[in-house]
Amino acid sequence: EVQLLESGGGLVQPGESLRLSCAAAGLTFSSYTMNWVRQAPGKGLEWVSGISGSGGGTNYADSAKGRFTISRDNSKNTVYLQMNSLTNEDTAVYYCATARGHWGQGTLVTVSS
Amino acid sequence: QSALTQPRSVSGSPGQSVTISCTGTSSDVGGYNYVSWYQQHPGKAPKVMIYDVNKRPSGVPDRFSGSKSDNTASLAISGLQAEDEADYYCCSYAGSSTLVFGGGTKLTVL
Repeated sequence: EVQLLESGGGLVQPGESLRLSCAAAGLTFSSYTMNWVRQAPGKGLEWVSGISGSGGGTNYADSAKGRFTISRDNSKNTVYLQMNSLTNEDTAVYYCATARGHWGQGTLVTVSS
Repeated sequence: QSALTQPRSVSGSPGQSVTISCTGTSSDVGGYNYVSWYQQHPGKAPKVMIYDVNKRPSGVPDRFSGSKSDNTASLAISGLQAEDEADYYCCSYAGSSTLVFGGGTKLTVL
């Protein structure tokens, strides 16, 4: 059974940084493009960023470009999302996910002064 | 990239069937067989109901089925039950390590 476990969320002030982690188990991790998806309160699902299996290819939603950095460590079966210059609009539950329907339980990020 | 297009709401009576459509382009839905559907109840994490267009994870009732034609994917739910009332989202791989989601459809069981 595939398991994705996110961690690293919390309460931060505007302008601060946060690093999310997602530990994967039960899948050939390096074969999967990994993604971060978020859901703001009362809103729909929004893709944030993706990284190819090798880590050589990354992509970002316009809302994340220049502020967020996705990375992965295939030796640890873990994908990361470094989030800088956070704003209130980044408040959301952040999930890691694959295109094949593997999905974590999410970690809550709250940006508030 | 633009979001996939889903109806805002659909409804049906218990026992009936409903279909939720998800329209994209040849760069996402039409270009890859990586369409997935998620069910989300209030306050809960999304739950995958269909992946790879038409595959059901273990534990998902066979009342749920997925299909795709050209740039439109569909989720069909037969024998509607009260617990099916939820928000449903479609998702497609869109190349270059990107995903695109639909805006969500609220299913009401009358």
